[in-house]
Amino acid sequence: QKEVEQDPGPLSVPEGAIVSLNCTYSNSAFQYFMWYRQYSRKGPELLMYTYSSGNKEDGRFTAQVDKSSKYISLFIRDSQPSDSATYLCAMFGSGAGSYQLTFGKGTKLSVIP
Amino acid sequence: DGGITQSPKYLFRKEGQNVTLSCEQNLNHDAMYWYRQDPGQGLRLIYYSQIVNDFQKGDIAEGYSVSREKKESFPLTVTSAQKNPTAFYLCASNPSGQNYGYTFGSGTRLTVV
Repeated sequence: QKEVEQDPGPLSVPEGAIVSLNCTYSNSAFQYFMWYRQYSRKGPELLMYTYSSGNKEDGRFTAQVDKSSKYISLFIRDSQPSDSATYLCAMFGSGAGSYQLTFGKGTKLSVIP
Repeated sequence: DGGITQSPKYLFRKEGQNVTLSCEQNLNHDAMYWYRQDPGQGLRLIYYSQIVNDFQKGDIAEGYSVSREKKESFPLTVTSAQKNPTAFYLCASNPSGQNYGYTFGSGTRLTVV
């Protein structure tokens, strides 16, 4: 079982739709949870991060962490064509056996005008 | 503006040739990383360095080498021992103790010809 599982998609939605992106993980020591956005042929950029369980909102984006289920989500409201990108989840925990981020494989999202 | 600069953007390598990818940062970050990204594989860690003159192997270090002589610079050499070097290479950095704050460069696309 891989430490972080992420559905690669591709996911295609119409403009204005609500998008839900998800990752599951197996290492209960993960404490920091991040979402990166990567446009084609560019480096990833940090979109949001959350510490431990709970929700965090930033404009049209909401990150949710459910540590009891080992499940994290990123919701995008009123999706725009400019949201078309690959979204990578990433995790870290000081007791997780590694001092580096563990990444999911990414979900490719297309928002159709 | 602070950031990470990777060069060149595109690089072509002949069979049996060593090539070096440049990564420079002006963020005053202590830690630097090299990742390889292949379609459907996500980000795989090649090497990382937490401090000048020290670096550690990541998950796929075979066929690669690095140096960290200056805090700002972390070049990656792809040697002839790397049998499948065609990939997108990403450099990243973060301040010590802030593992959620990775900053990525724009990447180098390496192709074997």
